[in-house]
Amino acid sequence: EAGVAQSPRYKIIEKRQSVAFWCNPISGHATLYWYQQILGQGPKLLIQFQNNGVVDDSQLPKDRFSAERLKGVDSTLKIQPAKLEDSAVYLCASSSLGGPSYNEQFFGPGTRLTVL
Amino acid sequence: DQQVKQNSPSLSVQEGRISILNCDYTNSMFDYFLWYKKYPAEGPTFLISISSIKDKNEDGRFTVFLNKSAKHLSLHIVPSQPGDSAVYFCAASGGGNQFYFGTGTSLTVIP
Repeated sequence: EAGVAQSPRYKIIEKRQSVAFWCNPISGHATLYWYQQILGQGPKLLIQFQNNGVVDDSQLPKDRFSAERLKGVDSTLKIQPAKLEDSAVYLCASSSLGGPSYNEQFFGPGTRLTVL
Repeated sequence: DQQVKQNSPSLSVQEGRISILNCDYTNSMFDYFLWYKKYPAEGPTFLISISSIKDKNEDGRFTVFLNKSAKHLSLHIVPSQPGDSAVYFCAASGGGNQFYFGTGTSLTVIP
């Protein structure tokens, strides 16, 4: 089974620029998550999708961050404009709605964003 | 508001000895707990989980203990191996597949 794919793996931009990250979850996983992990901290949930609907985006800074999951499969996370404090690893994860591992989230390798 | 806390940022253990990683939580509604392991430049990978109806779950060298009254869980690795060197995150959920993560403990197993 292929894992969660993310691209790019690394991105360096200047503040006020825009950036987008892409995630392809495990096939058949209905739930998709975007996390922000700042150095020295644990992953913080930004947004959770179930199929193509948003379940929770309470911690997404909506003035600059946006995310979509068209067709309930791939997802993109965008930051516009970026700030210095957005420097972090952005992790995508997916999970199934049922089955023996329904409570387990499978993570992608992450995108490391550096904002200069 | 950090609902899941790992108060030890790092831990060093000799190979063959026991590693004990601790995690505390504040939300009494949490009923499912997981441990993830993370190597550099990789995403976290699932290690072991425990439901609140249990107080212990074992998988090979890894055992997770849950003390609901103290809102505390711990991960025991016996015996520790150099390949266990990684950052370990505990996570907790109160349902809805939403998880809250701790800040991680970096484990170093010394050969």
